[in-house]
Amino acid sequence: DAKTTQPNSMESNEEEPVHLPCNHSTISGTDYIHWYRQLPSQGPEYVIHGLTSNVNNRMASLAIAEDRKSSTLILHRATLRDAAVYYCTRRDSGGSNYKLTFGKGTLLTVNP
Amino acid sequence: NAGVTQTPKFQVLKTGQSMTLQCAQDMNHEYMSWYRQDPGMGLRLIHYSVGAGITDQGEVPNGYNVSRSTTEDFPLRLLSAAPSQTSVYFCASSLQASTSYGYTFGSGTRLTVV
Repeated sequence: DAKTTQPNSMESNEEEPVHLPCNHSTISGTDYIHWYRQLPSQGPEYVIHGLTSNVNNRMASLAIAEDRKSSTLILHRATLRDAAVYYCTRRDSGGSNYKLTFGKGTLLTVNP
Repeated sequence: NAGVTQTPKFQVLKTGQSMTLQCAQDMNHEYMSWYRQDPGMGLRLIHYSVGAGITDQGEVPNGYNVSRSTTEDFPLRLLSAAPSQTSVYFCASSLQASTSYGYTFGSGTRLTVV
């Protein structure tokens, strides 16, 4: 029972925007949506998280659908250093309310 | 501010040996957790703690023990290592036990059990 669904891989060109989609159709009204990325041989790195409204920070923007069943991570200008696996995560609803479950993520390739 | 520090970075164990993976954070985070990551798979939660003296099991707890005697430290113990525990282990922390806060991850411990 996958909590989130992401494409296995995506490709982008350097300096172009990237839109990484995530479906979370069973999300409840109080679940935050988190995004993390993992560069090769490194630990996951926090990117952004949000509840309902669109969120922006220095790394990316998070667009959350009005029904909250999907979200999109937006990298405004991809660089080679953005090549990583991107994880969309949400709370594991089996009991406690603070365990994040990580799927296999989306492998983003950035072409020069 | 060092964030989340994991030691050692690499370790090779023989089957049956025991060891402790260390995790320390200096951000006064209440919530700490351990994940393992195997090739081609996402991160799987082993154990977590919502504060000093409180721990609970994640989705793959068998073969691992934890304790949380201080806010800063959350060690993961392998009592009798098995080849199936060969993996990369990540420690993560968050300000509070709520998904309204982002997680900070350590750089990982790569463990090989032979």
